[in-house]
Amino acid sequence: AQSVTQPDIHITVSEGASLELRCNYSYGATPYLFWYVQSPGQGLQLLLKYFSGDTLVQGIKGFEAEFKRSQSSFNLRKPSVHWSDAAEYFCAVGKTSYDKVIFGPGTSLSVIP
Amino acid sequence: GAVVSQHPSRVICKSGTSVKIECRSLDFQATTMFWYRQFPKQSLMLMATSNEGSKATYEQGVEKDKFLINHASLTLSTLTVTSAHPEDSSFYICSARDPAVRYEQFFGPGTRLTVL
Repeated sequence: AQSVTQPDIHITVSEGASLELRCNYSYGATPYLFWYVQSPGQGLQLLLKYFSGDTLVQGIKGFEAEFKRSQSSFNLRKPSVHWSDAAEYFCAVGKTSYDKVIFGPGTSLSVIP
Repeated sequence: GAVVSQHPSRVICKSGTSVKIECRSLDFQATTMFWYRQFPKQSLMLMATSNEGSKATYEQGVEKDKFLINHASLTLSTLTVTSAHPEDSSFYICSARDPAVRYEQFFGPGTRLTVL
């Protein structure tokens, strides 16, 4: 069965600093990988997804993620964090494009002004 | 983009009563909907997969008699928490697949259930 780990429970960065959120997955084949953001009082929003092709994926809000098969990782990055990026971030994996998605434990991001 | 709504957004009920939560796809027909449960400061745990016109598929450890799921139409799925107890208090989130948009689920805003 597939699984997802996010080693960092909570991260604090200064506004304007760069950000990297780690995600590792366990799955035998090439998985479908997602990053979601959950802000207080709002539903989950898809930041980006990977299923094939270029391993560097661009998403919304200036986020990008890189799929590294050798490391079973799909880390999320942003070059300059804004205060509005403070939220909970979830990495998720699916076996197929229509299968259920398993979520990682999440990383809570705090941004210092 | 595709919009999914949930109703109610918050509900408080007494122990032993049943509560129904609705999940609607507003601008697309969802052949598949998913129900998740999220405890405070924790991740989303998939409870069940709901396919229109058929019985829901429950994840291991989820009591199907306690969490009744009905997906009677292509735009509506309901989750009924039967004989609710305080330990059922949680944040319940639904998502829906738009067949025209591969690889993506669209999430509702969630329902906060508090059982007294």
